Amino acid sequence: EVQLLESGGGLVQPGGSLRLSCAASGFTFSSYAMSWVRQAPGKGLEWVSAISYSGGNTYYVGSVKGRFTISRDNSKNTLYLQMNSLRAEDTAVYYCAKDSRRAITMIVVDWGQGTLVTVSS
Amino acid sequence: NFMLTQPHSVSESPGKTVTISCTRSSGSIASNYVQWFQQRPGSAPTTVIYEDNQRPSGVPDRFSGSIDSSSNSASLSISGLKTEDEADYYCQSYDSSNQGVFGGGTKLTVL
Repeated sequence: EVQLLESGGGLVQPGGSLRLSCAASGFTFSSYAMSWVRQAPGKGLEWVSAISYSGGNTYYVGSVKGRFTISRDNSKNTLYLQMNSLRAEDTAVYYCAKDSRRAITMIVVDWGQGTLVTVSS
Repeated sequence: NFMLTQPHSVSESPGKTVTISCTRSSGSIASNYVQWFQQRPGSAPTTVIYEDNQRPSGVPDRFSGSIDSSSNSASLSISGLKTEDEADYYCQSYDSSNQGVFGGGTKLTVL
């Protein structure tokens, strides 16, 4: 059974940093692309970033380019999202999602339970 | 980039069939696979349809997906509606540069 467990969320001041982690199990982590998707309170889903199976290719939504960095450690079966220069509009639940291919396709079948990030002074 | 437009809400009675549409604003709906996600209140999303019409294991065959090139839209149909189907449903696709695009979501009420 695929399991994706996010951690690292919390309250941070505007301009601050946070690193999210997603521990994966139940599948060969190194064989699949992965993504982060967020949902602001009361709003819809928004794709944030994705990374290919090897980490060689990455993609970001325009609003986070230059501030967020996605990475992965295949030896630890863990996905990361380093978030810098955080803004109030980054407040959301962040979900880890497993792609269905090695390359980034945004065809997601499995989701984590999410971790809440609140940016506020 | 393109947008995916869904109705804000739909409602239907238990036992009936409901269809939720997802219209692509530009480019062909058939160019890239469409996924559908269910999100119950307070819970994470789950995938009910991927690659236009494929069901993940564990999703009942009451859920089905299709695409219609003539209307440039995708549809999610749920037959034999149950109260547990009440949730928000999101369609999703991606563009040629693998930028993910979500629809705005449809609130399904089963009354």
